[in-house]
Amino acid sequence: DQQVKQNSPSLSVQEGRISILNCDYTNSMFDYFLWYKKYPAEGPTFLISISSIKDKNEDGRFTVFLNKSAKHLSLHIVPSQPGDSAVYFCAAAERFGAGTRLTVKP
Amino acid sequence: DAGVTQSPTHLIKTRGQQVTLRCSPKSGHDTVSWYQQALGQGPQFIFQYYEEEERQRGNFPDRFSGHQFPNYSSELNVNALLLGDSALYLCASTTGTGYGNSPLHFGNGTRLTVT
Repeated sequence: DQQVKQNSPSLSVQEGRISILNCDYTNSMFDYFLWYKKYPAEGPTFLISISSIKDKNEDGRFTVFLNKSAKHLSLHIVPSQPGDSAVYFCAAAERFGAGTRLTVKP
Repeated sequence: DAGVTQSPTHLIKTRGQQVTLRCSPKSGHDTVSWYQQALGQGPQFIFQYYEEEERQRGNFPDRFSGHQFPNYSSELNVNALLLGDSALYLCASTTGTGYGNSPLHFGNGTRLTVT
């Protein structure tokens, strides 16, 4: 049931630079996408979302882009901070990707 | 305002046994979902409860069953435990307005180890 895929298990960036996390999906019926962040020993917490009627949603340092034709979305974090180091999950219709572990180095 | 609470935090069971995990949703939430997260993987959707009924179900066998009570709290039951059932079990709550359109609020999970 791999309807939501995150193909990069890990990403390492320098503090202050941009972090780009990618997500692909297979079900064209998905109409709402969410990103969650997870710290160790805690449950995932909601970060940002986007409706399929939009191609961009911005919230402070976080921006999510949606490309429906490619069935692809990405999360941009600018500027990246050490506190952003966590596992990020892409989700749609209760289905989650495998996650990408982001490490932001000081 | 209490968030999602799960109990117990950790649990060790023997293969073949049965286990019950419990979840209290965030105040104001009426929909509860359960997830299984194996090491290094994303949360896998087990099922969702709304108005005391199972509304959606993921690709999990009938050994996994659940219940939602009138106060919206929920239980996850797993029968005939297998070693592969060892995982972090996450409970999440939201309002019952739509399918996947409302952000989920997660508890910190129950770590189940089957020996």
